[in-house]
Amino acid sequence: GDSVTQMEGPVTLSEEAFLTINCTYTATGYPSLFWYVQYPGEGLQLLLKATKADDKGSNKGFEATYRKETTSFHLEKGSVQVSDSAVYFCALIRPNDYKLSFGAGTTVTVRA
Amino acid sequence: NAGVTQTPKFQVLKTGQSMTLQCAQDMNHNSMYWYRQDPGMGLRLIYYSASEGTTDKGEVPNGYNVSRLNKREFSLRLESAAPSQTSVYFCASSEAPSYEQYFGPGTRLTVT
Repeated sequence: GDSVTQMEGPVTLSEEAFLTINCTYTATGYPSLFWYVQYPGEGLQLLLKATKADDKGSNKGFEATYRKETTSFHLEKGSVQVSDSAVYFCALIRPNDYKLSFGAGTTVTVRA
Repeated sequence: NAGVTQTPKFQVLKTGQSMTLQCAQDMNHNSMYWYRQDPGMGLRLIYYSASEGTTDKGEVPNGYNVSRLNKREFSLRLESAAPSQTSVYFCASSEAPSYEQYFGPGTRLTVT
């Protein structure tokens, strides 16, 4: 079946540091890929997405590129802020399917 | 445009009590979902409704029932609550073709 593997956290960084969260997936066909973010005490929000190979999703300074050859969708941000402290989830959905497959989530804490 | 709303925000139940969690969306989405989120477990799908009039089991349906009341509303019922059902419950909705999901703010349930 489909699965998503994320790097385990927690990740602790200083402000303005570079952030990478690794995500790899297993799925048949050509899934769409997503990163969701969950701020403390809130629900999940879609951060960015990519629907085909080599697509780059970007939002709020975050980027991720859909790499079919390595089945990866790593999340990056060049200079994090305290407000980026959150849990980040990688997810996929196969074409014509209703259900997302989520990774376990990575907790990121940014210190001032 | 409120997106996905959930009630209540917090609830404490005693073992054996019943309750219904309410979810509504105003985005005219066909598909709706119920998840639970537990520490270290990520999000697990309880039930989903691909369209009005249909419901299907997810990964962890035992102890729960759902009702798709109309296109907007999808409720989750715990008939006889157990401490193992202490969790944060999220409702989500989505629409073709992307099926990216939009989440509600969550219900924090404690069963004592």
